[in-house]
Amino acid sequence: GQNIDQPTEMTATEGAIVQINCTYQTSGFNGLFWYQQHAGEAPTFLSYNVLDCLEEKVRFSSFLSRYKGYSYILLKELQMKDSASYLCVPMDSNYQLIWGAGTKLIIKP
Amino acid sequence: GAVVSQHPSWVICKSGTSVKIECRSLDFQATTMFWYRQFPKQSLMLMATSNEGSKATYEQGVEKDKFLINHASLTLSTLTVTSAHPEDSSFYICSARGGGLGESGELFFGEGSRLTVL
Repeated sequence: GQNIDQPTEMTATEGAIVQINCTYQTSGFNGLFWYQQHAGEAPTFLSYNVLDCLEEKVRFSSFLSRYKGYSYILLKELQMKDSASYLCVPMDSNYQLIWGAGTKLIIKP
Repeated sequence: GAVVSQHPSWVICKSGTSVKIECRSLDFQATTMFWYRQFPKQSLMLMATSNEGSKATYEQGVEKDKFLINHASLTLSTLTVTSAHPEDSSFYICSARGGGLGESGELFFGEGSRLTVL
């Protein structure tokens, strides 16, 4: 079957760094997306990885290891507005996105 | 003989990204691990020697800030190619030597990792 495993909820402090891990199993693989979703809003795109590398952007990085079925997103210099759900979304061989419940990240001052 | 496992076997990266290669000794404790690079039709070139719990010793001409080596345990060493560029495309191989089976000095090689940077 296809499944995604990431923490249900995480808490971090403003200004700190947090890493959200995700393991997945899919029928084939065509890349993995990370989305951010604030409560009551549509998801917004953060990153797409299809190669086994660490991609670093200004405040966040995304990493993928296909042979491990593992990905993570790393958020630095956390701000209160980063409080949201973070969705790890792999794409299977039919280019279907596999959606899980995501990780609810709570930022505390 | 002893088994050394290396992952991933092949990896393709975009220029500017970082990639980590793992080398594990599966049935012995490797006090020393070696990292090599091999370009097509060329011989193995030793990049660095890493001893568990200490900083790696790099060969001349190998940038330690670009090729980060961590040997945190007796069974695992990692090589991270930071800010990879097309010229870093190569075949990277690890080998291990340690106690027990490795006391004679024999090296056990991993399967190698072929890195292609686009």
